[in-house]
Amino acid sequence: NAGVTQTPKFRVLKTGQSMTLLCAQDMNHEYMYWYRQDPGMGLRLIHYSVGEGTTAKGEVPDGYNVSRLKKQNFLLGLESAAPSQTSVYFCASRRPSGSGETQYFGPGTRLLVL
Amino acid sequence: GQQVMQIPQYQHVQEGEDFTTYCNSSTTLSNIQWYKQRPGGHPVFLIQLVKSGEVKKQKRLTFQFGEAKKNSSLHITATQTTDVGTYFCAGRAGNTPLVFGKGTRLSVIA
Repeated sequence: NAGVTQTPKFRVLKTGQSMTLLCAQDMNHEYMYWYRQDPGMGLRLIHYSVGEGTTAKGEVPDGYNVSRLKKQNFLLGLESAAPSQTSVYFCASRRPSGSGETQYFGPGTRLLVL
Repeated sequence: GQQVMQIPQYQHVQEGEDFTTYCNSSTTLSNIQWYKQRPGGHPVFLIQLVKSGEVKKQKRLTFQFGEAKKNSSLHITATQTTDVGTYFCAGRAGNTPLVFGKGTRLSVIA
């Protein structure tokens, strides 16, 4: 099992460009999450999904969109990147409540917006 | 909204000294989790506490959940260089997503 994988590992964008970050998990988890991590700020939830075809906003959703067309994939989109979106992005997944709530994190995507 | 505060932000210790990080929530939690992130790595789950007053141990690590289920602590006895990293607590209130504290970065001086 690969667990949670993220693509790409690193990306440099210019202000105004768009991109999609891909998260894939092979653990058949229902729940998936996108976080951003900035120095001194911990992990902040951007969007999450409790199942295929569903998404919900987290703490810092502005400037991002997500889609969960397949259970194993969770995509994070930046339509018009801004320097404030320079960050490390982590994806995570877990099983539903009542069956172990461990979140498994991917290795992260480092994004630099110039 | 729910807030989870974690102190201290940084801690530098000599190898062999003990280390403690504290976590406080603005609301009563249904459970609390602890994660460790090594430098350059991703967060890795350590443990989950669910019951009021619960204490769990993992070798040199001791985790506590407060009686009121609003605070928690992680204590490491006799730190080693392998303990270096950032320790995060994360709490859940009801059916809401986990809220992470800002973490405590531990440095161990050999």
